Amino acid sequence: EAGVTQFPSHSVIEKGQTVTLRCDPISGHDNLYWYRRVMGKEIKFLLHFVKESKQDESGMPNNRFLAERTGGTYSTLKVQPAELEDSGVYFCASSHGAYNEQFFGPGTRLTVL
Amino acid sequence: GQQLNQSPQSMFIQEGEDVSMNCTSSSIFNTWLWYKQEPGEGPVLLIALYKAGELTSNGRLTAQFGITRKDSFLNISASIPSDVGIYFCAGRLIGSQGNLIFGKGTKLSVKP
Repeated sequence: EAGVTQFPSHSVIEKGQTVTLRCDPISGHDNLYWYRRVMGKEIKFLLHFVKESKQDESGMPNNRFLAERTGGTYSTLKVQPAELEDSGVYFCASSHGAYNEQFFGPGTRLTVL
Repeated sequence: GQQLNQSPQSMFIQEGEDVSMNCTSSSIFNTWLWYKQEPGEGPVLLIALYKAGELTSNGRLTAQFGITRKDSFLNISASIPSDVGIYFCAGRLIGSQGNLIFGKGTKLSVKP
């Protein structure tokens, strides 16, 4: 069974540009989460989808971040326009139920110059 | 926001030594989890704890859910080189909708 996959693995962009990150959860997992780790800090929750609905988006930093999960399969996280402080590793995780084990993808390392 | 205080921040040990790390919080959690992250990969779940006082082992790893529900520790016995990585504690608050709160991680280096 394939694990959680994320694309791209790395992205280097300039301040003001737009970047879209993609996450493909484990097949059949209704719950999908986005997290972010800024260098040296803790991994922080961004938002939680149940199927295509946003269950909890309390961790989204500001309105420059837009997450979607059309059709309840893969999800995208768009940052527009990117700022320097958006640099970090963005992790996606998925789980069968909200309280089941969350399986993490390898992350996308975003660098904003 | 909620915080988990994880310590130590890093450890440099000799192969064969035992390791201990812990997490504390001012908040009460109903779940404590310990993850390990290796370079280029995402965190992988090592141990999950669901009840106050619970002590669970996974091979050479042992973790406990504190009685107060505000802390947890992870012990690794007889460390080996492949134990190298970053260990994260994570917790789920009572009433949360599934999202996890993470500590800052403990970076473990093992010298052969």
